[in-house]
Amino acid sequence: GAVVSQHPSWVICKSGTSVKIECRSLDFQATTMFWYRQFPKQSLMLMATSNEGSKATYEQGVEKDKFLINHASLTLSTLTVTSAHPEDSSFYICSGRGRTDYEQYFGPGTRLTVT
Amino acid sequence: AQSVSQHNHHVILSEAASLELGCNYSYGGTVNLFWYVQYPGQHLQLLLKYFSGDPLVKGIKGFEAEFIKSKFSFNLRKPSVQWSDTAEYFCAVNSGGYNKLIFGAGTRLAVHP
Repeated sequence: GAVVSQHPSWVICKSGTSVKIECRSLDFQATTMFWYRQFPKQSLMLMATSNEGSKATYEQGVEKDKFLINHASLTLSTLTVTSAHPEDSSFYICSGRGRTDYEQYFGPGTRLTVT
Repeated sequence: AQSVSQHNHHVILSEAASLELGCNYSYGGTVNLFWYVQYPGQHLQLLLKYFSGDPLVKGIKGFEAEFIKSKFSFNLRKPSVQWSDTAEYFCAVNSGGYNKLIFGAGTRLAVHP
C-alpha cells in the first residue's frame, strides 16, 4: 500500500510556543490530506481536510487560527499548532488520498506533549 | 449527521477463539465501509473495505466482514484469533465517493495465549 510519513514522531514543547508537524506521501500524490486528533483510548476525530493548493476545511469546533494547515504540494502537508497549551497535548495523525482513490493512507502519528 | 457505533469497547479472548466485533452506522444513503487495525505503537492499517458488490468481504490476516444493509451493520469476524491479533480495531464509514471518514470509538482486543 501507499506510504505516508510524519515528522517528528514525538515532540515536547513549552506552553505558548508553536509546533509544526509534517505529513508526507512518499510514493503517491496526495491530492487530499486529512488531519486527525486521537486522545488516549479514544477514536480518531477529524480536524480538517485539505486539498492541494486550497485552504483547509475545518471541522466544527476546531480553531483554524490555532491549527494552521498548509498543503502546498501533492506530497506535503503541514499542521502548525500555534501558541500551544497543555490541553493541546494529543496524538496527531495525518492521512493522504490520491485523486482517484477512495482509500486513505495513514501516517504513524505524532505525539505532542505541551508542558 | 453520520455516526458509527462499536458496541464492544474491550474484548478479551483466548487463542483459537472466534471473534466478532460489532459495528453499526447511521446514514441512509450509499456508504463505503472500512475496518482498520492499530497494533501497539504502530499506525492505522486497513484490514478490509466494502464499496459495493458481494456483502461478504475478505480482508488480510484471515479477517472478514459482512455488510447487512437492512441492519446498517458491518461486523468484523475471524474464526480463530491469534495472540498477534492483539490490537485496537476501528470501524469507519464515509458517505460514498470521496467524503471524509467517520470513525467508531474503537474496540481494544486482547488475545491471551
